[in-house]
Amino acid sequence: DADVTQTPRNRITKTGKRIMLECSQTKGHDRMYWYRQDPGLGLRLIYYSFDVKDINKGEISDGYSVSRQAQAKFSLSLESAIPNQTALYFCATSDLTGSHTDTQYFGPGTRLTVL
Amino acid sequence: DQQVKQNSPSLSVQEGRISILNCDYTNSMFDYFLWYKKYPAEGPTFLISISSIKDKNEDGRFTVFLNKSAKHLSLHIVPSQPGDSAVYFCAASARYGGSQGNLIFGKGTKLSVKP
Repeated sequence: DADVTQTPRNRITKTGKRIMLECSQTKGHDRMYWYRQDPGLGLRLIYYSFDVKDINKGEISDGYSVSRQAQAKFSLSLESAIPNQTALYFCATSDLTGSHTDTQYFGPGTRLTVL
Repeated sequence: DQQVKQNSPSLSVQEGRISILNCDYTNSMFDYFLWYKKYPAEGPTFLISISSIKDKNEDGRFTVFLNKSAKHLSLHIVPSQPGDSAVYFCAASARYGGSQGNLIFGKGTKLSVKP
């Protein structure tokens, strides 16, 4: 079984709709992240959470919100989707302890299309 | 301002030869560097990393070199195999520089290894 799972894997929606992307992990990691990938732009950080009570904005948080429901679950919401939020979205986790605390482990991604 | 740069969007190499992927960074506070590999329809997977206290790290066919004075790192793949064809992302973090260990990614280099 995958350590980091994302649902849905693909989603097509219309402008103005509210969308939630979900991420679950079985790695037992404290830190969780949401990124988006656009062609030619690499991975950009939307939000991150270092534990259940800690939520931080990333580079491109406008138009997004998150919820850390438990150590293992981190969801990303688009309150009112717009076409330029069409992208690949990735969830990632990392461990607070150990020698490689910055190594992140990614889920398989969600392809979101906003029409 | 792009802190991590991968100036070659694509690279084509013959099977069995060496692949060299390059990455430059601007933030002197970065102290940990990683390479990720990404296949289509999958999330990025961690490949190899290097701490700023080292200048070389090897793992099988993969070697990462770090030149701190030039703020440059490179990933060498020897010998290259068709299965290495993927997008490679360089990432960096500054554990003690205020970014809390968050990763900054380059835009990626698409490697094609031809049989």
